[in-house]
Amino acid sequence: QQQVKQSPQSLIVQKGGISIINCAYENTAFDYFPWYQQFPGKGPALLIAIRPDVSEKKEGRFTISFNKSAKQFSLHIMDSQPGDSATYFCAASHGNQGGKLIFGQGTELSVKP
Amino acid sequence: DADVTQTPRNRITKTGKRIMLECSQTKGHDRMYWYRQDPGLGLRLIYYSFDVKDINKGEISDGYSVSRQAQAKFSLSLESAIPNQTALYFCATSDFLAGGYEQFFGPGTRLTVL
Repeated sequence: QQQVKQSPQSLIVQKGGISIINCAYENTAFDYFPWYQQFPGKGPALLIAIRPDVSEKKEGRFTISFNKSAKQFSLHIMDSQPGDSATYFCAASHGNQGGKLIFGQGTELSVKP
Repeated sequence: DADVTQTPRNRITKTGKRIMLECSQTKGHDRMYWYRQDPGLGLRLIYYSFDVKDINKGEISDGYSVSRQAQAKFSLSLESAIPNQTALYFCATSDFLAGGYEQFFGPGTRLTVL
């Protein structure tokens, strides 16, 4: 059972454009929603995370938008750069699971020059 | 992240062989995890350990076993490898007792079962 569904599976964006990746979750007990970034040949690394008490979090060009009622959250990459080309994973967790993360299927982003 | 190391980085083996993947961390974290990554399926949790004496199955534990030899070491074994276990395997750690949800991943082991 996939508790976190991510789309699209792949995304091609022109340099300077906005990249948008979406995730939907089922378990309303989730209270932590991170995004991980993975470059080829490397392990995933935390990019940005949000908790459900806020609707948006921004760090530089990266923004998480969170819609608790719709059980959805998304990653926006503003002014996308070729160096942003990577695989992005959303995830979710809740406190009584001791930090265990449930990951989405991943999105392969390619930013064209 | 150099603080989480995995050996070997690449391994090719044959069906039926026993394989061990090793993970070591110098971060001093209490929690360790094993995931496998397959295209289109994301990262799926195989086993996780909250401390040396606490080991738990993840969503896809069949065909795998683990050992937490010390706080810093967590090994994943495939008792009798099969081709559909061909995947990229990642170890991760977290400092949950200190309030950290962030997981730190190793560089991965690419396993091919022929």
